[in-house]
Amino acid sequence: EVQLVESGGGLVQPGRSLRLSCAPSGFKFDDFAMHWVRQAPGKGLEWVSGVSWNSATVAYADSVKGRFTISRDNAKNTLYLQMSRLRTEDTAMYYCAKEDGNDWNSDPFAHWGQGTLVTVSS
Amino acid sequence: LVLTQSPSASASLGASVKLTCTLSSDYSSFAIAWHQRQPDKGPRYLMRLNSDGAHSRGDGIPDRFSGSSFGADRYLIISSLQSEDEADYYCQTWGTGIVVFGGGTHLTVL
Repeated sequence: EVQLVESGGGLVQPGRSLRLSCAPSGFKFDDFAMHWVRQAPGKGLEWVSGVSWNSATVAYADSVKGRFTISRDNAKNTLYLQMSRLRTEDTAMYYCAKEDGNDWNSDPFAHWGQGTLVTVSS
Repeated sequence: LVLTQSPSASASLGASVKLTCTLSSDYSSFAIAWHQRQPDKGPRYLMRLNSDGAHSRGDGIPDRFSGSSFGADRYLIISSLQSEDEADYYCQTWGTGIVVFGGGTHLTVL
């Protein structure tokens, strides 16, 4: 069974940094592209960032470009999201998601984690 | 690349409902996916839906959930509505290096 478990969320002040992690199981991690998606309170789903299986391709939403960095360590079976210069509008539940196929940006998100909550507030 | 959804929909217990997701005109041939977000749960993948209406459901998704397409419109049809179907439904598309979600439709089961 595919599982994705996020961690690292919490309360952080504006301007500070935070690193999220996603621990996958039940599938061969280094075969699939992975993504981060967030949902702010009262809002819809917003794609944040994605990384191909070999880290050769990364992509970001304009709202986080230059502040967030996605990475993965296939040897450690872990996906990361380094968030810097955090703003109050980054407050959201952050989800890790797995693409359904092996090619970058070619398939829907077939599996999701339960999310980790990030609150940016002074 | 924009996906447009109505903010809300409602239908009675045991009835059927059809939710719509509309692709922006230049991308009317794109496939989409439907996801369900129940309160206090992570999103759940329902299905992939192609422009020709062919669809493939995710693991464990009952056949009460189906999809169809017409032009730039992609539909999610839920039959025999149950109380647990009350949730937010999001469409997603991908390609051109990015991923886009629709604004979501909140479904109320009466």
